[in-house]
Amino acid sequence: GAGVSQSPSNKVTEKGKDVELRCDPISGHTALYWYRQRLGQGLEFLIYFQGNSAPDKSGLPSDRFSAERTGESVSTLTIQRTQQEDSAVYLCASSLIVRANYGYTFGSGTRLTVV
Amino acid sequence: AQSVTQLGSHVSVSEGALVLLRCNYSSSVPPYLFWYVQYPNQGLQLLLKYTSAATLVKGINGFEAEFKKSETSFHLTKPSAHMSDAAEYFCAVSDPGANSKLTFGKGITLSVRP
Repeated sequence: GAGVSQSPSNKVTEKGKDVELRCDPISGHTALYWYRQRLGQGLEFLIYFQGNSAPDKSGLPSDRFSAERTGESVSTLTIQRTQQEDSAVYLCASSLIVRANYGYTFGSGTRLTVV
Repeated sequence: AQSVTQLGSHVSVSEGALVLLRCNYSSSVPPYLFWYVQYPNQGLQLLLKYTSAATLVKGINGFEAEFKKSETSFHLTKPSAHMSDAAEYFCAVSDPGANSKLTFGKGITLSVRP
């Protein structure tokens, strides 16, 4: 596609429920990144994919968080047993290759609210 | 470990005035540096980046930034603010020797007064 697409754009869920957030990167982009942006905070790195493998998942906050990528395309971030502190905007970005000087193209994010 | 400091959370300028948004970084190696802008309800957009070529980098919408190694700074400037510049601005750093993970500052909200 022309840009990075994320769905849903907004999600309200009850505490304890599981949620899935989807990211469609730009076609042909090898690298895919997930970040979290909590209110008043900068972006926190969660995980990145090179192709379908995840060389760095050091930012995942707990074992309730997991992510996968299939077909070197779509990625899904899953949060199990959601907690109120999980409320944030979850941003996905992609880059043509994994190279430090490239910069990313970001999607518009999924705003998750846990009530 | 790398880190980025953006002092203050909010800057307000008059339309036509100079915009100066500060960014200082901490890195054990010469880094790559980025400025991103986030307009309301939109994703982040790359404004400009420093990747060890010219130290003065020009970006979109009339913004520029200068890499100063001695000051570990990468401040963003624009000579004359426009109402459309009102947004949140993030500075970010990456380690050239590692993967392309970016470390972001907390961001600064720019308001432009008529």
